[in-house]
Amino acid sequence: AQSVAQPEDQVNVAEGNPLTVKCTYSVSGNPYLFWYVQYPNRGLQFLLKYITGDNLVKGSYGFEAEFNKSQTSFHLKKPSALVSDSALYFCAVRPTSGGSYIPTFGRGTSLIVHP
Amino acid sequence: NAGVTQTPKFQVLKTGQSMTLQCAQDMNHEYMSWYRQDPGMGLRLIHYSVGAGITDQGEVPNGYNVSRSTTEDFPLRLLSAAPSQTSVYFCASAKVAGEQYFGPGTRLTVT
Repeated sequence: AQSVAQPEDQVNVAEGNPLTVKCTYSVSGNPYLFWYVQYPNRGLQFLLKYITGDNLVKGSYGFEAEFNKSQTSFHLKKPSALVSDSALYFCAVRPTSGGSYIPTFGRGTSLIVHP
Repeated sequence: NAGVTQTPKFQVLKTGQSMTLQCAQDMNHEYMSWYRQDPGMGLRLIHYSVGAGITDQGEVPNGYNVSRSTTEDFPLRLLSAAPSQTSVYFCASAKVAGEQYFGPGTRLTVT
């Protein structure tokens, strides 16, 4: 069975500072990994994904994520946080083969960027 | 493209009533799924479909039915609503190996 852990319910960061939202995963075989963002009263929006290749993946709104196979992690990062980045962030994983191909989501991390 | 659409946006039901949440996508995606989102619980998968005529249960299927007669539509039926089904419901679609596209959600309250 696949699973995702987002160890922090909330991350607080000052505007202009770098941010990291953590994600670790468990899956049989190689993973497909995803990050999504949810603004209040909205559906989830895709940010970025890792399928294969370069371990550093760049996505929307200046976000990037680093895939680390040995640590089974896929942390979301941004060099300089904006107040408008405040939202709920979800990490998701699914196997590249076998299973239902439907991803499993973490419980989400609330990012709060202070002015 | 309209993407993924859901209706209604809001609904209030009495215990025991039934209703259907509608979901449609115009991207010709094979995969469609229904999630519920509750505070502190993240997203939990209710049912999913990998193509027209094929559906399967997710993590929390009890009390819900689905069908997929066309690629575009994937309605979720609540058979006999219970207060425990008060939640926000999201429909999503995806290509094989791709990211999911989510609808705007339906906020359901069961009294």
